Amino acid sequence: QVQLVESGGGVVQPGTSLRLSCAASGFTFSSYTMHWVRQAPGKGLERVAIISHHNKIKNYADSVRGRFTISRDNSKNTLYLQMDSLRPEDTAVYYCAKDHKYGYVDYWGQGTLVTVSS
Amino acid sequence: EIVLTQSPATLSLSPGERAILSCRASQSISSYLAWYQQKPGQAPRLLISDASNRATGIPARFSGSGSGTDFTLTIGGLEPEDFASYYCQHRSNWPWTFGQGTKVEI
Repeated sequence: QVQLVESGGGVVQPGTSLRLSCAASGFTFSSYTMHWVRQAPGKGLERVAIISHHNKIKNYADSVRGRFTISRDNSKNTLYLQMDSLRPEDTAVYYCAKDHKYGYVDYWGQGTLVTVSS
Repeated sequence: EIVLTQSPATLSLSPGERAILSCRASQSISSYLAWYQQKPGQAPRLLISDASNRATGIPARFSGSGSGTDFTLTIGGLEPEDFASYYCQHRSNWPWTFGQGTKVEI
């Protein structure tokens, strides 16, 4: 069965960096676009970034463009999110997610909490 | 950026009643709309894709309709496990945004 397991979350100070990882299994990882979606405490969902299966297309939300970088290693079935210049408003649960029909999500990880606070 | 507006923000109903949730897009998105259910402390779950296609394993009481700018998620006969938050999301063009959500409460 499809499994997505995020890691790397934690408490960091504003202006610092963090890298999230997502280990995928149960499907052909190299064939699917992947997403990072976040949810601030008590708030709605925001798609942070997506990366195409072949690494050639990367799209970012305006709120993170220039600060976050999405990448993947198809040989390791792993998705990454490098987050630099973190801000308090980046505090959220970050979900790794598998694409469905190029735009939707049919499988989600359990999420990893990132807290940016001084 | 296409804005999705969901209404109502909260829907108070009893088990067995029908729920009708609305999602309106700021411009036409054809049928490129999905619905997700999210329960507290859990990741969202895909219910409907492309406006009316039920995802694998989703009960028939969940149905979606609409095209262009106006969409509806209908839950025919609420079960106890259906009390949750629901989000719409489009994939018409980037950024693929979500609505702000509708909470269905008892």
